[in-house]
Amino acid sequence: AQSVTQLDSQVPVFEEAPVELRCNYSSSVSVYLFWYVQYPNQGLQLLLKYLSGSTLVKGINGFEAEFNKSQTSFHLRKPSVHISDTAEYFCAVSSTGGGNKLTFGTGTQLKVEL
Amino acid sequence: DTGVSQDPRHKITKRGQNVTFRCDPISEHNRLYWYRQTLGQGPEFLTYFQNEAQLEKSRLLSDRFSAERPKGSFSTLEIQRTEQGDSAMYLCASSPTPGQGARDTQYFGPGTRLTVL
Repeated sequence: AQSVTQLDSQVPVFEEAPVELRCNYSSSVSVYLFWYVQYPNQGLQLLLKYLSGSTLVKGINGFEAEFNKSQTSFHLRKPSVHISDTAEYFCAVSSTGGGNKLTFGTGTQLKVEL
Repeated sequence: DTGVSQDPRHKITKRGQNVTFRCDPISEHNRLYWYRQTLGQGPEFLTYFQNEAQLEKSRLLSDRFSAERPKGSFSTLEIQRTEQGDSAMYLCASSPTPGQGARDTQYFGPGTRLTVL
């Protein structure tokens, strides 16, 4: 079984400040890791993913994340946020074999303020 | 490539009624997934198809829920005798057949928001 923990339910931050959204996972098998963003009343948009290779992954809209196997973490970062980054962010994990269904965390609401 | 589409976007129904949602995946995507998202929570897996075969169902998918993908293209999710607890956003996602590195990525539709009165 797999699980994802997003400890921060809400993260307020001022525009142009850096931000880090935390994600920790638990799994007994090898995993793929994803970050999705959801704007109000919309579906999920893929921000970035870790499948293999370099542990530092760059995604859209200036976001990046680092896979840390020893700490079972996949934290999302952005050096300078914009008002338009205000949204719900979900970390997700899937096993590398069979099914590939996603297990999501409970989400982090990023609120960017002026 | 027009992305994953879902219909309807919103559905309001009375308790006890049946509802059906449709999902059209990205063309040539073999895998199709259904998830349910309740308020303040992350999406939860319901079921998935490889072409027309339904390969896994979550325990969340009670006997009142049925999903089909008859020709391996679009899929329908039906809920019979709806209950207020069924109120949620129902999300559909598609992907190429996994196991080939970059192909292990699911692309989501806009969702169908169900409200059961």
